[in-house]
Amino acid sequence: GIQVEQSPPDLILQEGANSTLRCNFSDSVNNLQWFHQNPWGQLINLFYIPSGTKQNGRLSATTVATERYSLLYISSSQTTDSGVYFCAVTYNQGGKLIFGQGTELSVKP
Amino acid sequence: GAVVSQHPSWVICKSGTSVKIECRSLDFQATTMFWYRQFPKQSLMLMATSNEGSKATYEQGVEKDKFLINHASLTLSTLTVTSAHPEDSSFYICSAGGWAEATDTQYFGPGTRLTVL
Repeated sequence: GIQVEQSPPDLILQEGANSTLRCNFSDSVNNLQWFHQNPWGQLINLFYIPSGTKQNGRLSATTVATERYSLLYISSSQTTDSGVYFCAVTYNQGGKLIFGQGTELSVKP
Repeated sequence: GAVVSQHPSWVICKSGTSVKIECRSLDFQATTMFWYRQFPKQSLMLMATSNEGSKATYEQGVEKDKFLINHASLTLSTLTVTSAHPEDSSFYICSAGGWAEATDTQYFGPGTRLTVL
C-alpha cells in the first residue's frame, strides 16, 4: 500500500520562529490533507491540497504531486501552534485517509 | 460548517462491559463516516468505513464482532465496543465525509477516550 512519511518527527521552536514540515508519499494520490491535532486530541483541518499552493494566515502549504511531496510552512510560530501535525492522503474512490506518523511541534515562549 | 461531534468525550468501564460511542455530523449530511483508533504518541489507524444504510467495511485485523458499527442515518454513526478489555483502552475518533469542498474531505470529531479497568 501507499506509504506516507513525515519529517521531522519532532520539532522544538522558540516563539516567533518559522518552520517547514515535510510529507512524502510513495504513489499518486487523489487528495492530500494537513491536520493539526491539538493537545486535547481534536484534529483540525488545515488544508485540502492535492496540488498547488494555499495560504491561510500564518500557515501555507504546497503540494508538488508530480514529485510526491507536500510542505507545510508555519511562520511566526505561537505557543498555540503546539501539537501534532499530520498529513494524510487518499488514493482511491473509497476516500480512505492514510496518515503519516506526524510531526510533534512544541513552541516555547 | 462541517462540525462533527462525539459522545461521550471520555468513558471508564469495567472489563467485560460494552460501550457505545456516538458520532454525529451536526450541520451536514455525511455519506460516509470513518472510525479511527489512536494509541498514545502514535498516528491514527483506520478501523472501518461506514456508509448510511449499509454494512461497515472493516480494515484487515479489526474484529467486526468486537467493534460493532451502525450508520443508521446520514448524520449518525455509532461504534460499540463489545465485551471491552484493558487492551481496548484507546482514543477513538470518528470522521465524516461528503461535504462541500470535496467529497473525500473528512472532518473529525473531538474523540472519545476509553479506559477499560
